[in-house]
Amino acid sequence: DIVMTQSPDSLAVSLGERATINCKSSQSVLYDSIGKNSLSWYQQKPGQPPNLLIYWASTRETGVPERFSGSGSGTDFTLTISGVQAEDVAVYYCQQSYDIPYTFGRGTNLEIK
Amino acid sequence: QVQLRESGPGLVKPSATLSLSCSVSYGSFNTYYWTWIRQSPGKGLEWIGYVSDTGKTDYNPSFKSRVTVSIDTSKKQFSLRLRYLTAADTAVYYCARERREGLWSGDFFTYYYYALDVWGQGTTVIVSS
Repeated sequence: DIVMTQSPDSLAVSLGERATINCKSSQSVLYDSIGKNSLSWYQQKPGQPPNLLIYWASTRETGVPERFSGSGSGTDFTLTISGVQAEDVAVYYCQQSYDIPYTFGRGTNLEIK
Repeated sequence: QVQLRESGPGLVKPSATLSLSCSVSYGSFNTYYWTWIRQSPGKGLEWIGYVSDTGKTDYNPSFKSRVTVSIDTSKKQFSLRLRYLTAADTAVYYCARERREGLWSGDFFTYYYYALDVWGQGTTVIVSS
């Protein structure tokens, strides 16, 4: 299985500041043939299912605010929230769809400082 | 807008079989993978398996010997059966839709399944006698 390792486990950021969450896969999730990474980011708020934010590592889902951005390739990926808002308090997960079984990171808990 | 809703028992006895259904509303049933995922405090988010609109399936090897995912396109539903339950199967179970994109790679056109874009609200399953 591809192991997804997220860091940090928890992150406290002041309102309006930048939050950076990292995700590392145990093997590359890059499709060389099409130049795309099969890596998605999800946001989960208490009592709700995960919500898709970013796919193909850097493509923002329709309706997701521009302050959310994804970057990286191969095995190292980053989710950046530029200008954290109060409504961004949640747990964030990365997930690979490159190989069966699909696997998720353990999550990063974002809090407001 | 597509909506998914899980249904099934909230309490199941050890060694029994869990049967969950997911109803799909307001959208096309075709060209997606229909997926089951579960979440527990101990193991986090676990992908269980999917079924396509044509009945193709694939499963997480961790569950492979005791899981079946099936589809009924006439009812716009897909289902999960998980056998030989233990307390470790206590979790919130989600159904979700996986989106695909067709892309050319040289002379070959291939569908890539790449993101879980619609999720149900989840149903809590407790395994206990």
